[in-house]
Amino acid sequence: DTAVSQTPKYLVTQMGNDKSIKCEQNLGHDTMYWYKQDSKKFLKIMFSYNNKELIINETVPNRFSPKSPDKAHLNLHINSLELGDSAVYFCASSLSRTGNTGELFFGEGSRLTVL
Amino acid sequence: GENVEQHPSTLSVQEGDSAVIKCTYSDSASNYFPWYKQELGKGPQLIIDIRSNVGEKKDQRIAVTLNKTAKHFSLHITETQPEDSAVYFCAASHPNSGYALNFGKGTSLLVTP
Repeated sequence: DTAVSQTPKYLVTQMGNDKSIKCEQNLGHDTMYWYKQDSKKFLKIMFSYNNKELIINETVPNRFSPKSPDKAHLNLHINSLELGDSAVYFCASSLSRTGNTGELFFGEGSRLTVL
Repeated sequence: GENVEQHPSTLSVQEGDSAVIKCTYSDSASNYFPWYKQELGKGPQLIIDIRSNVGEKKDQRIAVTLNKTAKHFSLHITETQPEDSAVYFCAASHPNSGYALNFGKGTSLLVTP
């Protein structure tokens, strides 16, 4: 069983479109995250949710909107896609909001290409 | 916010040699320092971590050292093997940022047979 699963794995779309990436974890963790990895492999946190509550929202354009219907799911919706949004988006989860009490479990990533 | 610098960006070693990757952090409140390994096409995976009340930790061929005064920490891999080839990320977190992990820019390690 996959601990943190994301869909789709690959997404190719045109500029201006709206798209969503879904994430589910079956680890019973309370905290979920979205990270963006650019072409230079730099990993940057975008959002963090703890028990469906937003606790971290980095300087991300408001075209990006996370939604957590329950603590096992954290979806990412992106409006009006731009070329610069092309990246690999990783979902992750941890046991609690205190990251220093345990590791992050990452999904396999969703590669978004905006043409 | 926390700024994590990582060096080198690429590292090539012969099988059996040791590899060392170094990181510095800016916020003295940071208290948790994990290292992640990312293989091609996969998500990062934790390989070792250290907390600020410990100076060194070892797990088989992997060790991490922390110097709180100098605000730097290092990953040491001994007896490297080709399967150690991957991108390695250091990270730091502290309470003031909701314990979010701030990652270094990664080190691409290549172990040649």
